[in-house]
Amino acid sequence: SQQGEEDPQALSIQEGENATMNCSYKTSINNLQWYRQNSGRGLVHLILIRSNEREKHSGRLRVTLDTSKKSSSLLITASRAADTASYFCATDATGNQFYFGTGTSLTVIP
Amino acid sequence: GAGVSQSPRYKVAKRGQDVALRCDPISGHVSLFWYQQALGQGPEFLTYFQNEAQLDKSGLPSDRFFAERPEGSVSTLKIQRTQQEDSAVYLCASSLEWTRGETQYFGPGTRLLVL
Repeated sequence: SQQGEEDPQALSIQEGENATMNCSYKTSINNLQWYRQNSGRGLVHLILIRSNEREKHSGRLRVTLDTSKKSSSLLITASRAADTASYFCATDATGNQFYFGTGTSLTVIP
Repeated sequence: GAGVSQSPRYKVAKRGQDVALRCDPISGHVSLFWYQQALGQGPEFLTYFQNEAQLDKSGLPSDRFFAERPEGSVSTLKIQRTQQEDSAVYLCASSLEWTRGETQYFGPGTRLLVL
């Protein structure tokens, strides 16, 4: 079973627009990470946010974490066609295991 | 090494066959993970190694699944008597050392199709 759920399941936007996707999880965490997966490829690490952090930036990415609501959001600004991929959040609630959400499929239309 | 590599990239097996999937982690990475990813789903944890020690195998779905990492580098995931429900992408990831917050680096995966 998976710990997290992303919302929406699918998102389609025009190039240049911002994309926001959300992740909710069930138990207390130490940190939360976001990954991107292009079709047929492995996962690429995007950003990590620790449980004592509320916001983090990396280039065009902005991640927020609200531990009271057990949720996180990933914002991609000024989207590009190359951002088309599935995005997953992952948490390490119980030490060894790393739980992935169900993913958001993002399509950026040129 | 350049990254995590996995072989084969694609495997077609007849139901009942045994398969072996290989993972070459990034050189020097102590921690190694296997995941199973069904179509349209996120990866699900299978097992975790710290060097050659298998510290967690709670995600292995049945006793037909077996993983090893005898010398603390290359790992093999073996599935015996494959079933159609084993069809999935099997991902391997390595990490410098799995302490909370370490990044996991993923390989491209092996896509297994059981007919």
